[in-house]
Amino acid sequence: NAGVTQTPKFQVLKTGQSMTLQCAQDMNHNSMYWYRQDPGMGLRLIYYSASEGTTDKGEVPNGYNVSRLNKREFSLRLESAAPSQTSVYFCASSETGTGWEAFFGQGTRLTVV
Amino acid sequence: GEDVEQSLFLSVREGDSSVINCTYTDSSSTYLYWYKQEPGAGLQLLTYIFSNMDMKQDQRLTVLLNKKDKHLSLRIADTQTGDSAIYFCAESSAGRRALTFGSGTRLQVQP
Repeated sequence: NAGVTQTPKFQVLKTGQSMTLQCAQDMNHNSMYWYRQDPGMGLRLIYYSASEGTTDKGEVPNGYNVSRLNKREFSLRLESAAPSQTSVYFCASSETGTGWEAFFGQGTRLTVV
Repeated sequence: GEDVEQSLFLSVREGDSSVINCTYTDSSSTYLYWYKQEPGAGLQLLTYIFSNMDMKQDQRLTVLLNKKDKHLSLRIADTQTGDSAIYFCAESSAGRRALTFGSGTRLQVQP
């Protein structure tokens, strides 16, 4: 039972490089999310997708783009990485937006140098 | 906007009870959650409480909700070294599509 799978687990980028973080869930959930976790700041929502074909900005969307490729997959793209984007990124999914348990992936630790 | 606050650190001895506190600002919160994050891992849901409840007990875990003061607490009875982790309080409301998390409380359990 895989749940939410994120790749890669670790990544080091140079400033200005681009990359895509992949996320897939096998629970047939409608809603998917990308959060970033920084020390002392908890998790902050970057983007979310309430259902296949829709995406919306969260609290900290600047510098990121997302694609809800299908019901299973939700990717996060950094077009031109900056040191301020050094963080741990978590993908999550839930049946619907609220009132349901959110299941989290293991996280991607990204360092931008 | 919505805000969820927690203290950053708590240290207890093995066998003692731990109480982790959380305050929130959104009076329309419908569900309040406690998530646990072990080192190098994602978050796992521990328990949740609906906003019309005062208390919920689940084995060693007791959640207390004071809706008037917008205060949520998680009590862990007979705390074990395996309970060492970061605990996140989170809340949701019907008007928002995603959870709002606190900054997390790191629980350290000393043998």
